[in-house]
Amino acid sequence: GDSVTQMEGPVTLSEEAFLTINCTYTATGYPSLFWYVQYPGEGLQLLLKATKADDKGSNKGFEATYRKETTSFHLEKGSVQVSDSAVYFCALRPYSSASKIIFGSGTRLSIRP
Amino acid sequence: GAGVSQSPSNKVTEKGKDVELRCDPISGHTALYWYRQSLGQGLEFLIYFQGNSAPDKSGLPSDRFSAERTGGSVSTLTIQRTQQEDSAVYLCASSLGQGGETQYFGPGTRLLVL
Repeated sequence: GDSVTQMEGPVTLSEEAFLTINCTYTATGYPSLFWYVQYPGEGLQLLLKATKADDKGSNKGFEATYRKETTSFHLEKGSVQVSDSAVYFCALRPYSSASKIIFGSGTRLSIRP
Repeated sequence: GAGVSQSPSNKVTEKGKDVELRCDPISGHTALYWYRQSLGQGLEFLIYFQGNSAPDKSGLPSDRFSAERTGGSVSTLTIQRTQQEDSAVYLCASSLGQGGETQYFGPGTRLLVL
């Protein structure tokens, strides 16, 4: 079945460091891909999404590109801030489904001042 | 405007008891989803409602789990004869429609079964 594999955490970086969180997926057809973020004490929020191959999703300085050839959707940010500390989830919505989202296991990111 | 709300925020129960978890979606959102976030399993889809009907119940883990939605709005997830492995955070989400619509998540209900 469809699945998402993402980099295990926790990841600890210094402020202004470059961030990459790896995500790969297994799916039939062309799923939609997402990154969700869960800040401490808050609910899950959509960070960015991409719905077709080569699309780049971006928001709040974060970017991810839908790579069909490598089945990847890595999350990147050029200069992280303390406020980016959160748990990040890579996810997909299967091509065949209008409903369910399949999530990766989540990566906890901590940024040191 | 108001986001998705869930109640209670925390629930502690004894093994074997029934529990009900409530979700109030964003006003006007016709689609509603339940997920479960647990340590061993990550975030899992449980059930999807479009209006009051549930076209996808494929994620419900056993017949002890059921959900209903009335008036196209509030939904209740019921777990009968709770087991310790039911301990998790239960998340509700809603979206304006289905398909490509963004899902907005509530803060979750943390359930602990002793």
